[in-house]
Order: sequence, then structure tokens, then C-alpha cells
Amino acid sequence: AQSVTQPDIHITVSEGASLELRCNYSYGATPYLFWYVQSPGQGLQLLLKYFSGDTLVQGIKGFEAEFKRSQSSFNLRKPSVHWSDAAEYFCAVGQAGTALIFGKGTTLSVSS
Amino acid sequence: DAGVTQSPTHLIKTRGQHVTLRCSPISGHKSVSWYQQVLGQGPQFIFQYYEKEERGRGNFPDRFSARQFPNYSSELNVNALLLGDSALYLCASSFRTLGGGPAETQYFGPGTRLLVL
Repeated sequence: AQSVTQPDIHITVSEGASLELRCNYSYGATPYLFWYVQSPGQGLQLLLKYFSGDTLVQGIKGFEAEFKRSQSSFNLRKPSVHWSDAAEYFCAVGQAGTALIFGKGTTLSVSS
Repeated sequence: DAGVTQSPTHLIKTRGQHVTLRCSPISGHKSVSWYQQVLGQGPQFIFQYYEKEERGRGNFPDRFSARQFPNYSSELNVNALLLGDSALYLCASSFRTLGGGPAETQYFGPGTRLLVL
């Protein structure tokens, strides 16, 4: 079955520290991969996406993610977290013409 | 450029009532998808429309229906509301071409928060 797993429900990181959010997927073929961020009461904002090519992709707000086919993973990273990064982060997978499948999300808290 | 817009932003209904949610895609985008997000969960796919035709349907009961208009805007209808329909309903649009690729990127609106009492 197609699925996305985000193992960490809640992560707390100190401001200025590095961040890595994990995402593992189960899919029949190499999917398109996405990370979205959601602030409280808001819709989803696209952070970055992977379709093909270079497995390290850069996104907005200083985020990057690396696709590792052998591990079926697409982890999100940021070298230095800012207080404004506190939000919920969703990993999603899909293919052309198909619906996105989302993980359950990881809530990021940033401590000062 | 305007992003995806949705109306209304909030809605309160009672059990058994009917609700219509509206979505306007990004200009030039021809595909609209609807997702339901209950509290504490990731979005769940409901429908996808492309060029006014239904292209995909998630695991939702027949009480849920949708349509896409010639201007590519869309409506989601839910009949006989249940308490469990309380959720954030998200609309996403994409340019979508038959070739796939970056045109498949879905951009989300702010959502309509539905509360069923």
C-alpha cells in the first residue's frame, strides 16, 4: 500500500540549531516528493519538491531535502532554525495525475 | 498574482444539513483537487478535477460530490452532514499537463474550516 511515514510527531529545537525532519515512503515507483509547511489555522505552503535529477533539492526559507532511493526517504533539513519556523511540516508523495498522499505531520517547536 | 482562494473561510452547520464550499484556482491552472484535514492529521484526498472532468476520487462516501466549472473554479458539496465531517477543507490547484513533471505541483488555498454541531 502507498503510504508516507513521518516518525517524529513533535520535535523541539533551539533557535540557531540545525534541524532534520524525517520522511519515509512506500510507493510502487519513484514518486514525486514534496514538503509543505502549515502554520496554525492556515493552508499548506510548498517548501520544496523533487521530480527527478539532482537528489538534493533546495527550497524556500533556507530548507533543503535529500532524496535517497535506497532508503525510500526524503528528509528535510535546515542548518539554522529561526523562531518563525515553528509550524507543522508535512511530507507528501504522488505521481503524474494522482492524488498526493500525506504523512501525519511533524510539529516543530523552537525554543529560545 | 493571486493564489488559490477559497470561500467561505469558516462555516458552522448542524447535523443533516448540506454545505457548499468554493475554490478558485491560480490563474492558468486547470486542475483542482480537494482534501479533508481533520485535527491532528495530514490532508486526505477527496476529489481531483481536470478540464472539468473528475480524474480521481478518494475513499469518501457518496455524500461528498464536486464539480468544476468552465472557468476552472470548483465546488465541493457535502450532504447530510455528520459530526465527523468537521474539518479543514483544502483546495489545491495545479497546471497539470499530460506529461507530468513540475506542472503537477499542487498549490493550496487557505482552506475552509467547517464545524458540524
